[in-house]
Amino acid sequence: GDSVTQMEGPVTLSEEAFLTINCTYTATGYPSLFWYVQYPGEGLQLLLKATKADDKGSNKGFEATYRKETTSFHLEKGSVQVSDSAVYFCALKSGGTSYGKLTFGQGTILTVHP
Amino acid sequence: KAGVTQTPRYLIKTRGQQVTLSCSPISGHRSVSWYQQTPGQGLQFLFEYFSETQRNKGNFPGRFSGRQFSNSRSEMNVSTLELGDSALYLCASSLGAGSGGPETQYFGPGTRLLVL
Repeated sequence: GDSVTQMEGPVTLSEEAFLTINCTYTATGYPSLFWYVQYPGEGLQLLLKATKADDKGSNKGFEATYRKETTSFHLEKGSVQVSDSAVYFCALKSGGTSYGKLTFGQGTILTVHP
Repeated sequence: KAGVTQTPRYLIKTRGQQVTLSCSPISGHRSVSWYQQTPGQGLQFLFEYFSETQRNKGNFPGRFSGRQFSNSRSEMNVSTLELGDSALYLCASSLGAGSGGPETQYFGPGTRLLVL
């Protein structure tokens, strides 16, 4: 079945540091890939997405490239801010009859210190 | 445009009771999906409804059920509550036009259920 594996957290960085959160997946066919972010006490917000191989999703300085050859969708940001502290989830949606089902990774807690 | 709303936001129940959670999707969205979030299991898919029909279902026992109304609002019900049902229950809505396409799901703030 489908699965998503994220790098173990938590990740602690200083402001303006470079961020990478690794995400790899297993899926049949050609899934769509997503990064969601969850701030304390809130639901999930879509950060970015990519729908086919070599697509790059980007938003708010975050980027991720859909790499089919390595089945990866790593999240990067060149300079993090304290306000980026949150939990980040990588997710996929397979084709076929998956309909509204997202498969999530376990989440990575990011803490950014001033 | 208003986002996804969920009620209630917090709920405390005791073992053996049942509970009903409600989700109102974004206007025009016809698909509603439900997820359970726990520290141990992470985010797990419960089920998805589209046009009042369940289209997909996760691996949860039959105590977990749902329905969708003609206005796309959805409810989920958990009967005979167990301690392990304590979780954040999230619903998400989308247009629902495609099957497994790249349609974005928009999440509500969740209902936090505590079972004592």
